[in-house]
Amino acid sequence: EAGVAQSPRYKIIEKRQSVAFWCNPISGHATLYWYQQILGQGPKLLIQFQNNGVVDDSQLPKDRFSAERLKGVDSTLKIQPAKLEDSAVYLCASSPQANTEAFFGQGTRLTVV
Amino acid sequence: AQSVTQLGSHVSVSEGALVLLRCNYSSSVPPYLFWYVQYPNQGLQLLLKYTTGATLVKGINGFEAEFKKSETSFHLTKPSAHMSDAAEYFCAVEKPGSARQLTFGSGTQLTVLP
Repeated sequence: EAGVAQSPRYKIIEKRQSVAFWCNPISGHATLYWYQQILGQGPKLLIQFQNNGVVDDSQLPKDRFSAERLKGVDSTLKIQPAKLEDSAVYLCASSPQANTEAFFGQGTRLTVV
Repeated sequence: AQSVTQLGSHVSVSEGALVLLRCNYSSSVPPYLFWYVQYPNQGLQLLLKYTTGATLVKGINGFEAEFKKSETSFHLTKPSAHMSDAAEYFCAVEKPGSARQLTFGSGTQLTVLP
């Protein structure tokens, strides 16, 4: 069974630029999560989708971050414009349904300079 | 609100020695608790979880953890460390009523010395 796929693996951008990350969850998984992991900290949930609807985006900085999951499968997370403090690993995870184990992708490491 | 405290950001043990990684939680209601492992440049992998029932939970790779409500703890142990156990370990608590929305601790980096 293929795991959660994320791309790109690494990205370096200058502050005030825009960036987008892509996630392809495990086939058939209805629930998708985006987490932000800053160096030296644990992951922090940014947004949770159930199919193509948002369950919780209370910790998503909506002035610069956006996420979508239009067809209930792939998802993209966008930052516009990026700040230095956005440097982190962005992890995508998926689960078959809301109360089952979540499987994590390898993450996208973003460096903002 | 839930929170997790992991005591010791770095722990070193000798190969074959006991591994003990500490986790204390704060939750207004009985929580679900998890331990994840993260190898370099990899995503998180679930080691074990406690939801209900038996308070001693066994996971993969010989790890286990015990939920102690009176101490609000969920410490991770392994009787004998192996070099391959070197990784970062995260304790997490599930927000009650959420759908696997996890609050993570800051992590403990485990080093295994030969």
